[in-house]
Amino acid sequence: GAGVSQTPSNKVTEKGKYVELRCDPISGHTALYWYRQSLGQGPEFLIYFQGTGAADDSGLPNDRFFAVRPEGSVSTLKIQRTERGDSAVYLCASSLAAQGRETQYFGPGTRLLVL
Amino acid sequence: SQQGEEDPQALSIQEGENATMNCSYKTSINNLQWYRQNSGRGLVHLILIRSNEREKHSGRLRVTLDTSKKSSSLLITASRAADTASYFCAPDTGRRALTFGSGTRLQVQP
Repeated sequence: GAGVSQTPSNKVTEKGKYVELRCDPISGHTALYWYRQSLGQGPEFLIYFQGTGAADDSGLPNDRFFAVRPEGSVSTLKIQRTERGDSAVYLCASSLAAQGRETQYFGPGTRLLVL
Repeated sequence: SQQGEEDPQALSIQEGENATMNCSYKTSINNLQWYRQNSGRGLVHLILIRSNEREKHSGRLRVTLDTSKKSSSLLITASRAADTASYFCAPDTGRRALTFGSGTRLQVQP
């Protein structure tokens, strides 16, 4: 079946603008994760959903960042009043939560550039 | 930090040679996973080794785990140019989300 997809692939915005990044997980995966990766670094955890609820949002850097998953499938990461420091690749991953310590399947990421 | 730290940071080898990457971590783990990332895009799961396993193979990959030393190694045998990528380890400490180090950037010269 199809893997995790993310849209857009690239997003260029101006400082202060609002952006939304979308993630379509693998069908049937109840767990969904958002990570952020800066150049030369490993992915950094942002938020994890189990179904529709955010089970762990401890990685969100501040209240400008928010994510939703209203129907337990597609998720949207929302960033308000973007700053240049928000520029990074935003990765989404999904997994079958029922399988204990299961593999996470990553999407190709959205490259965000804040000018 | 509960993340794994990969070593070396960068590795350059010739095609056909073996590549060895190491991972160290600080707390007890349930398992440890290795991922590969090409060109700064999505990560691809390579292999998972459980805390009660010492060695695991998958094709040209061999992973070892030493829980007493809190370390793991990933060996890629007979490397190919297509193996050029960044490699990350992710120790599972019980938290659902994965934590990654900065990775090892492997360059395989044809």
